[in-house]
Amino acid sequence: GDSVTQMEGPVTLSEEAFLTINCTYTATGYPSLFWYVQYPGEGLQLLLKATKADDKGSNKGFEATYRKETTSFHLEKGSVQVSDSAVYFCALSSGGTSYGKLTFGQGTILTVHP
Amino acid sequence: EADIYQTPRYLVIGTGKKITLECSQTMGHDKMYWYQQDPGMELHLIHYSYGVNSTEKGDLSSESTVSRIRTEHFPLTLESARPSHTSQYLCASSGTGYAAGYNEQFFGPGTRLTVL
Repeated sequence: GDSVTQMEGPVTLSEEAFLTINCTYTATGYPSLFWYVQYPGEGLQLLLKATKADDKGSNKGFEATYRKETTSFHLEKGSVQVSDSAVYFCALSSGGTSYGKLTFGQGTILTVHP
Repeated sequence: EADIYQTPRYLVIGTGKKITLECSQTMGHDKMYWYQQDPGMELHLIHYSYGVNSTEKGDLSSESTVSRIRTEHFPLTLESARPSHTSQYLCASSGTGYAAGYNEQFFGPGTRLTVL
């Protein structure tokens, strides 16, 4: 079945540091890939997405590239801010019997200090 | 404005009470979902629906039940709450086809339930 593995957290960085959160997946066919962010006390918000191989999703300074050859979708940001402190989820959507459903990674807690 | 709503945001109740968590969306989506989020942040799908009068159990067994009588409304009910039901419950919806971003889901703000 489908699965998503994220790098284990929590991740603690200083402001303006470079961020990478690793995400690898296992899926049948050609899944769509997503990064969601959850700020304290809120629901999940879509951060970025990619629907085919080599697509790069980007938003708010975050980027991730759909790498089919390495089955990866790593999240990066060049300079994090305190306001980026949140939980980040990698997810995929594939068809077939999983139609309409998302498979989530376990989440990575990011804390950014001033 | 198209959105997805959950009420209440916070609920503290005693053991044995019947509760209903409300979820409504104004985006015209056909698919809706309920997730339970544990303290470690991991998300577990507990119910989903592909349309009116369609409901399915998710990947994590749950004592809750759901109904889908109207497209926009997907309430979750616990007949007799227990402390083990204490958790964050998130509702989501998604549309169909390319315009829906290949199953991108939109989430409500969540209900934090505490059963004493």
